[in-house]
Amino acid sequence: GAVVSQHPSRVICKSGTSVKIECRSLDFQATTMFWYRQFPKQSLMLMATSNEGSKATYEQGVEKDKFLINHASLTLSTLTVTSAHPEDSSFYICSAERTGKQETQYFGPGTRLLVL
Amino acid sequence: GQSLEQPSEVTAVEGAIVQINCTYQTSGFYGLSWYQQHDGGAPTFLSYNGLDGLEETGRFSSFLSRSDSYGYLLLQELQMKDSASYFCAVSSYRDDKIIFGKGTRLHILP
Repeated sequence: GAVVSQHPSRVICKSGTSVKIECRSLDFQATTMFWYRQFPKQSLMLMATSNEGSKATYEQGVEKDKFLINHASLTLSTLTVTSAHPEDSSFYICSAERTGKQETQYFGPGTRLLVL
Repeated sequence: GQSLEQPSEVTAVEGAIVQINCTYQTSGFYGLSWYQQHDGGAPTFLSYNGLDGLEETGRFSSFLSRSDSYGYLLLQELQMKDSASYFCAVSSYRDDKIIFGKGTRLHILP
């Protein structure tokens, strides 16, 4: 199977600090990775599409300067929440698309962020 | 743009069969996927339909009708562990991303 890891699984930080979340595809190469945010009892909202070696594509309403995405290799994408505020508290989930298989995304276990 | 409609909640009895419907609107339709998500966990892939018809994977089946922009997920021999949220998701030729529906919360009664 295809395994995607995320680190950290849970983070608590103070308002104003920055938090970096890593997403790794462990046993396959992922040209494209996706970052989602999910609030309690709601659907997954796509934040941005991360492409290896190029700039991320952000969805409407998502601030690219606040949510910095870097996809430096075919197995790693990072999301940095800069100057986090309590309203950024959420469940952040990444997914990876195996190169050549658009129809299936493999999700990481998610990162629960709590900003105090 | 893209949009999906699915029921917000469905209740069924253990051992029974349940069908979760999904209608969608998208340009350049590529395929319909289904994902399961338990409380506190991440979504897991269940099935994918790119062509019309039924795809069967064990107790779960998924159906697609491209002409009707409609699909469903069928769960048979329901078990308590199937209590979860189920999301349909549509992908298009236009871009690489998958758009998720709002999810259907499945409650299973003993």
